[in-house]
Amino acid sequence: GIQVEQSPPDLILQEGANSTLRCNFSDSVNNLQWFHQNPWGQLINLFYIPSGTKQNGRLSATTVATERYSLLYISSSQTTDSGVYFCAVDKAAGNKLTFGGGTRVLVKP
Amino acid sequence: DVKVTQSSRYLVKRTGEKVFLECVQDMDHENMFWYRQDPGLGLRLIYFSYDVKMKEKGDIPEGYSVSREKKERFSLILESASTNQTSMYLCASNTRQGPRNTIYFGEGSWLTVV
Repeated sequence: GIQVEQSPPDLILQEGANSTLRCNFSDSVNNLQWFHQNPWGQLINLFYIPSGTKQNGRLSATTVATERYSLLYISSSQTTDSGVYFCAVDKAAGNKLTFGGGTRVLVKP
Repeated sequence: DVKVTQSSRYLVKRTGEKVFLECVQDMDHENMFWYRQDPGLGLRLIYFSYDVKMKEKGDIPEGYSVSREKKERFSLILESASTNQTSMYLCASNTRQGPRNTIYFGEGSWLTVV
């Protein structure tokens, strides 16, 4: 099956810093999503981005489908950005997502 | 807002017990999923259902079964719980309609098997 690798596995940021999270995948995909899991376990969808660039507030994402990677940018990080960020992909339209191992982010005040 | 509700947040069960994890969604979604999450492994798909009474195995179905008798409810069953099934279990749902298949998750069920 498709492999999804995320880097770095852990990230410690000072509040206000910017960061980039990376997701590499081993095959072409028709669905790619980024999620944030808060410290209480709730997973929230951030972006549906099989290709192109999207922005939502301080977060933005870019997927270069031809090169099989996606990037999530966090700007002016806040303590509420702490948690685990997951990338998930599917070769088909999007019913069976394969998740990466996640990037654990800690933003210090 | 879409709501996916998992009936139990924290459970402690004994080895060999039969365990039921229940999930209900309120958005009339066709698809429902059960994942387990373990440190460093991300989320792994156990089973998914694309319609009432329909199911397909995911990547790690061994030791689990599922039931979907009604569209809004998807149950995960551990026939005989074992310690290696101690994990966090996440239910999710989405729709096949429309241009995007955003998936919505419940809050998770932390299961400890002793």
